[in-house]
Amino acid sequence: AQSVAQPEDQVNVAEGNPLTVKCTYSVSGNPYLFWYVQYPNRGLQFLLKYITGDNLVKGSYGFEAEFNKSQTSFHLKKPSALVSDSALYFCAVRLRNTGFQKLVFGTGTRLLVSP
Amino acid sequence: NAGVTQTPKFQVLKTGQSMTLQCAQDMNHNSMYWYRQDPGMGLRLIYYSASEGTTDKGEVPNGYNVSRLNKREFSLRLESAAPSQTSVYFCASSPSIDGLYEQYFGPGTRLTVT
Repeated sequence: AQSVAQPEDQVNVAEGNPLTVKCTYSVSGNPYLFWYVQYPNRGLQFLLKYITGDNLVKGSYGFEAEFNKSQTSFHLKKPSALVSDSALYFCAVRLRNTGFQKLVFGTGTRLLVSP
Repeated sequence: NAGVTQTPKFQVLKTGQSMTLQCAQDMNHNSMYWYRQDPGMGLRLIYYSASEGTTDKGEVPNGYNVSRLNKREFSLRLESAAPSQTSVYFCASSPSIDGLYEQYFGPGTRLTVT
């Protein structure tokens, strides 16, 4: 069964510092990987995705993520955090080329950026 | 473009009551989804519709029914609400079901069943 883990419930970082939100996955084939962000009382918004190709994926709002097949990880990163980045972040995975399979979401990591 | 819209935003039901959550998208997407979000559990898929005229069960379909009314609209019905259905419900859409494309989410409906 495919699954995704976000090992940290919360990440705290000071504004201007780099941030990392961790995600590891478990699938039996090649994955599609996604990051979404949820601001308070809002729906999820797409940040970036890995489908194939370059392992470093750039997305919205200055975020990027690195696909690491050997470590089965897809960590979200940003070089310099903003207070406005404070939100709930979800990693998601689904299998490739297998017809419809559900998108499996992690439990979310709350990012808190302090001024 | 409004994107994905959901009504109502909030609802309080008594156990046993029924209600329908409405969802509409104006992006001409083929696929639509209903999720529920519970603390510490991420999002779980209730039902999905790969294309107009088709619906299928997701991970947690019990107690729910859906209707893909047309390409734009996908409703979720609770026939007899239970306290375990207290949750935040999100509708989403995507151009296709094949997973290449991201999903676009509505603002959510916060449902409390007492």
